[in-house]
Amino acid sequence: AQKITQTQPGMFVQEKEAVTLDCTYDTSDPSYGLFWYKQPSSGEMIFLIYQGSYDQQNATEGRYSLNFQKARKSANLVISASQLGDSAMYFCAMRESGGTSYGKLTFGQGTILTVHP
Amino acid sequence: DTAVSQTPKYLVTQMGNDKSIKCEQNLGHDTMYWYKQDSKKFLKIMFSYNNKELIINETVPNRFSPKSPDKAHLNLHINSLELGDSAVYFCASSHRHTQYFGPGTRLTVL
Repeated sequence: AQKITQTQPGMFVQEKEAVTLDCTYDTSDPSYGLFWYKQPSSGEMIFLIYQGSYDQQNATEGRYSLNFQKARKSANLVISASQLGDSAMYFCAMRESGGTSYGKLTFGQGTILTVHP
Repeated sequence: DTAVSQTPKYLVTQMGNDKSIKCEQNLGHDTMYWYKQDSKKFLKIMFSYNNKELIINETVPNRFSPKSPDKAHLNLHINSLELGDSAVYFCASSHRHTQYFGPGTRLTVL
């Protein structure tokens, strides 16, 4: 079964608008972490934001926020005020730790975001 | 002051050859990983080391052998390269929950 699902292969957004990238996950581990990474065309993987399963508040990092809905098992990334440099592939990932700090990341299929001027 | 570095960035080689990819991190992290990104951009864990000890081995062919000489280094040696090994290989390191990735090594097997 797919553990991380990103249902949007591609998304388009106008510069300066907000965009939401969807991510749903599946786990029976009560302790897990959810991550978003950005991969621009240059290829590097850039960490954006982290949400722990026990965190009460949604994570925010600058223009990035994570809309965490635990009951729905969703962890959508919201990018506010999109910029041309936000055009990239975005990956949602989950770490099931079982309490350890070195669990592997399981990635979704990715969503290509294109920001139009 | 690169945090996670990999060499080489590009590697082009013939089928059947043996090659190595090196990874170094200067973040003082205890855990290091190798991931493979295939042509469809799908990322999958291969190995994980914690304090030089192998803790994750995800059903990778035994032609792939990771080696961790110390906490800051995790190298990947690949024997008898096959066409299907062509991919981008990422090294990563972590302390607590977040993994930081190296720039990737694009391996092309001809």
